[in-house]
Amino acid sequence: GAGVSQSPSNKVTEKGKDVELRCDPISGHTALYWYRQSLGQGLEFLIYFQGNSAPDKSGLPSDRFSAERTGGSVSTLTIQRTQQEDSAVYLCASSLERGGETQYFGPGTRLLVL
Amino acid sequence: KQEVTQIPAALSVPEGENLVLNCSFTDSAIYNLQWFRQDPGKGLTSLLLIQSSQREQTSGRLNASLDKSSGRSTLYIAASQPGDSATYLCASRSGNTPLVFGKGTRLSVIA
Repeated sequence: GAGVSQSPSNKVTEKGKDVELRCDPISGHTALYWYRQSLGQGLEFLIYFQGNSAPDKSGLPSDRFSAERTGGSVSTLTIQRTQQEDSAVYLCASSLERGGETQYFGPGTRLLVL
Repeated sequence: KQEVTQIPAALSVPEGENLVLNCSFTDSAIYNLQWFRQDPGKGLTSLLLIQSSQREQTSGRLNASLDKSSGRSTLYIAASQPGDSATYLCASRSGNTPLVFGKGTRLSVIA
């Protein structure tokens, strides 16, 4: 595909359940980013991948959050034991490399924790 | 720690008007500054990227300026159209730090 894709587009889950969010970056993009957008909070950086490694995990809010990237391509963000405050839009972006390049964003996954 | 502020939070203008959106940042040692557009329920679309060595970038009816010394960037939209209605976000990068976003300006262009 031409752009960044994310799945699912919407996810409703019960408090305490685990969820997995998927991101397919643009082919050939080595850098991949996860962000969270909460109502009224703006975009918040979560984690950055260069290839399969994550040199910057500084934005992950707690140890319930983890992410991995395999084959330098697809990434999954996992939230364990979800809480209501995890409800947000989770956005993924990719860029050719971490430099002055533009980041291209996916449409996001809207997560609602009941 | 870099902080990015956008004013106003919301703006409503009649069609055809020229307008300016403001973005300020606290750390002037930025690597680049980027303006994005976000439509309701959608992801972000990059509009303009200004490197730290540049003063402005133009794309069609959009012009973004950067003044590092004052910690400000503006996005100028000429001859606004209803299709310009969206939330506009600015974001800065400093060195190897992640992009830091403002909370956005929600623009409504009234036909």
